[in-house]
Amino acid sequence: DAKTTQPPSMDCAEGRAANLPCNHSTISGNEYVYWYRQIHSQGPQYIIHGLKNNETNEMASLIITEDRKSSTLILPHATLRDTAVYYCIVRVVNQGAQKLVFGQGTRLTINP
Amino acid sequence: GAVVSQHPSWVICKSGTSVKIECRSLDFQATTMFWYRQFPKQSLMLMATSNEGSKATYEQGVEKDKFLINHASLTLSTLTVTSAHPEDSSFYICSARDLAGVGNEQFFGPGTRLTVL
Repeated sequence: DAKTTQPPSMDCAEGRAANLPCNHSTISGNEYVYWYRQIHSQGPQYIIHGLKNNETNEMASLIITEDRKSSTLILPHATLRDTAVYYCIVRVVNQGAQKLVFGQGTRLTINP
Repeated sequence: GAVVSQHPSWVICKSGTSVKIECRSLDFQATTMFWYRQFPKQSLMLMATSNEGSKATYEQGVEKDKFLINHASLTLSTLTVTSAHPEDSSFYICSARDLAGVGNEQFFGPGTRLTVL
């Protein structure tokens, strides 16, 4: 199963773009990259996912390198409410059950 | 949007008692639900995968006789912590996969905080 590597923590100023990197150098061709975030004492919230192409939705943009060995989650205009732990996950397939396995994530702090 | 609820949101119980936690997908059907546990300042740890109408699949190191999982319908899965002890105190989170979702997104409940005295 492909594993991911993320910086343990990052800071960003409010109103600026927050760029969260993720390395997944052992990703397989049919594995997707998912991003979730967890605000303190809440369940994780789905943000975005992608396979090869860059993706954008109302929350964020996902940039995946051409070799798919790394990706970047971009929050274009960070607010204080974006302070959370962000998890980059590569979806694994095991016995037909596609489960999400969480790493340690990046603790993003948005500063006023 | 897809909503997953959990009940109760928190529970305090005495050591040796059993506690049941419910997980419901409110506006979608889910043949597969997942149960996670999270200790303070740690990441989520997958405990088991729950499939509707069949036995759950437990991750290595998770005692199936202690953490009983029942997935009786497409919208409900329950986790029962049997004979709970203080070391079982944790944040329990369920998630469900939307069958109709294009990317099979997995949505999470708000979590249940269990404190065993």
